[in-house]
Amino acid sequence: DAKTTQPNSMESNEEEPVHLPCNHSTISGTDYIHWYRQLPSQGPEYVIHGLTSNVNNRMASLAIAEDRKSSTLILHRATLRDAAVYYCILRPRTGNQFYFGTGTSLTVIP
Amino acid sequence: EAGVTQSPTHLIKTRGQQVTLRCSPISGHTSVYWYQQALGLGLQFLLWYDEGEERNRGNFPPRFSGRQFPNYSSELNVNALELEDSALYLCASSLDDRSNYEQYFGPGTRLTVT
Repeated sequence: DAKTTQPNSMESNEEEPVHLPCNHSTISGTDYIHWYRQLPSQGPEYVIHGLTSNVNNRMASLAIAEDRKSSTLILHRATLRDAAVYYCILRPRTGNQFYFGTGTSLTVIP
Repeated sequence: EAGVTQSPTHLIKTRGQQVTLRCSPISGHTSVYWYQQALGLGLQFLLWYDEGEERNRGNFPPRFSGRQFPNYSSELNVNALELEDSALYLCASSLDDRSNYEQYFGPGTRLTVT
């Protein structure tokens, strides 16, 4: 299973942008990069995913390095509701299951 | 549109007993996944079903098993419960087995083994 490395925790001030990094140096050419987050007492929820190009949606942006060995999840304006554990996951082309790492616990400071 | 539902929400079992957890995927989704989230161990992949067949299983003993029904709902069975089986069991579903589709998670079933 391709592995990801994320910082254990990060802090951000409310309404500031947040950049959550993820290293995945063993990524293969067909692995998709997925980001999920888990709010307290809830199941994980989808945030964004991409393959090679940067991606934007209503929740966040995903910036993927040119060599695909790292990516960054960008929350443009952190709110208190964004406090969660954020997981960066590599999803292989075959074998559809996710292998979650330890994730980054994001604290948003009012 | 209803999300992924799981039942029961909580349950308490005694070591050695058997338990069945249930999951209903989002309408139209054919793939169902089971994960275990134990304290200190993070989310661990358990099982993946698609179109009624087991497609893959994680590194768990055979006493963890399941099945998927023709309506795509799924059951997770755990036999001979051990204390370390205490965890949040999460079910997720996706449209099918393509790797670029997102998974939608249910709220989980909290299992406590005493």
